[in-house]
Amino acid sequence: GAGVSQSPSNKVTEKGKDVELRCDPISGHTALYWYRQSLGQGLEFLIYFQGNSAPDKSGLPSDRFSAERTGGSVSTLTIQRTQQEDSAVYLCASSLGQVATGELFFGEGSRLTVL
Amino acid sequence: ILNVEQSPQSLHVQEGDSTNFTCSFPSSNFYALHWYRWETAKSPEALFVMTLNGDEKKKGRISATLNTKEGYSYLYIKGSQPEDSATYLCASNPNAGNMLTFGGGTRLMVKP
Repeated sequence: GAGVSQSPSNKVTEKGKDVELRCDPISGHTALYWYRQSLGQGLEFLIYFQGNSAPDKSGLPSDRFSAERTGGSVSTLTIQRTQQEDSAVYLCASSLGQVATGELFFGEGSRLTVL
Repeated sequence: ILNVEQSPQSLHVQEGDSTNFTCSFPSSNFYALHWYRWETAKSPEALFVMTLNGDEKKKGRISATLNTKEGYSYLYIKGSQPEDSATYLCASNPNAGNMLTFGGGTRLMVKP
């Protein structure tokens, strides 16, 4: 498809398990963001990739969270040893690059439930 | 202001009412201000990307203004319709660079 694709759309896991969330951005978009929305909260920034530059990881809440972007395209967000507070909707967005000109295009999100 | 803030948090209006809400953001190192609409069970969709002080943008019944010197933007909806019910998000770059930070959103509910 032409939009941002995320998988899985829903994931239920047990506390302590690792999970991987995938984002396939729009072709040609150099910028890729991960955000999450916990229940009753706003969109929380997690990590930002821009082209071949080092990612901005300043929003990752703990060292259990990591993300990579392979070949400047697909990104995977990994959460190790999941905790109940990790339950949230994880949104991926991509853009042509500069926030001054490039609106973000969002995927439909991955809803993570940690039991 | 160190963060992007939105008010009110939620708003209930009757169909046909006009309404507006506010986004406040750090005015230093400003690059851009984005507005998004997020309907339940859908992805957030961009409404406006604004960069110039004094800029005003319009899309149908929705418009937005921008004051970069004092760090605020207003979103206006004229003649609200039930299909306008959504969460409206604004985002800016409070730490300079190209990373967008979102406000907490304004949840609008329009009653028929």
